Amino acid sequence: GENVEQHPSTLSVQEGDSAVIKCTYSDSASNYFPWYKQELGKRPQLIIDIRSNVGEKKDQRIAVTLNKTAKHFSLHITETQPEDSAVYFCAAESPSGGGADGLTFGKGTHLIIQP
Amino acid sequence: GAVVSQHPSRVICKSGTSVKIECRSLDFQATTMFWYRQFPKQSLMLMATSNEGSKATYEQGVEKDKFLINHASLTLSTLTVTSAHPEDSSFYICSASWFGASETQYFGPGTRLLVL
Repeated sequence: GENVEQHPSTLSVQEGDSAVIKCTYSDSASNYFPWYKQELGKRPQLIIDIRSNVGEKKDQRIAVTLNKTAKHFSLHITETQPEDSAVYFCAAESPSGGGADGLTFGKGTHLIIQP
Repeated sequence: GAVVSQHPSRVICKSGTSVKIECRSLDFQATTMFWYRQFPKQSLMLMATSNEGSKATYEQGVEKDKFLINHASLTLSTLTVTSAHPEDSSFYICSASWFGASETQYFGPGTRLLVL
């Protein structure tokens, strides 16, 4: 099955600086890679996703890059703000042949924005 | 759009009892629903995939007789934790997807289960 590794487990950055979170996956057939933000006790919220036919995607301060050859993908947050503080999870979906499939999540990164 | 609700949000029960958790898609028809479990300060682990009208597919290591899943309609899936024990205490989160939304999953708010 799929295995997703995520680093770092904790990331502390100064407000206004950029934050980068990296993930690797094991299944070369995986073709969908979402990123979720989860605040304490709340549901995961999709912040950005990328599919395997795209190398990069950007949405305002958030961007995701995908390197299929190396099987890794990264989340980039620029101009960080205090409200960006949360736990971020990367995930990968391995297709099973039809419809949506369950996600394999990384262990999460606790992002701390220092004022 | 794409709102998923769960009920109850929190439940405390005695060891040996069964607990039912409901997951509803409020503004769309969910062709597929997923159940995840999240222990404190850990990641989400997929338990099972549920398609409307068919039996759920369980992940390796998840006991289907202990975690009963019913997906009776396109807007409702239920997870029943049977004969709950303290080690079943966790945060249970469902997600839903629909045909046409590709792989995107929308998560419910979660149910925190505490078994005494």
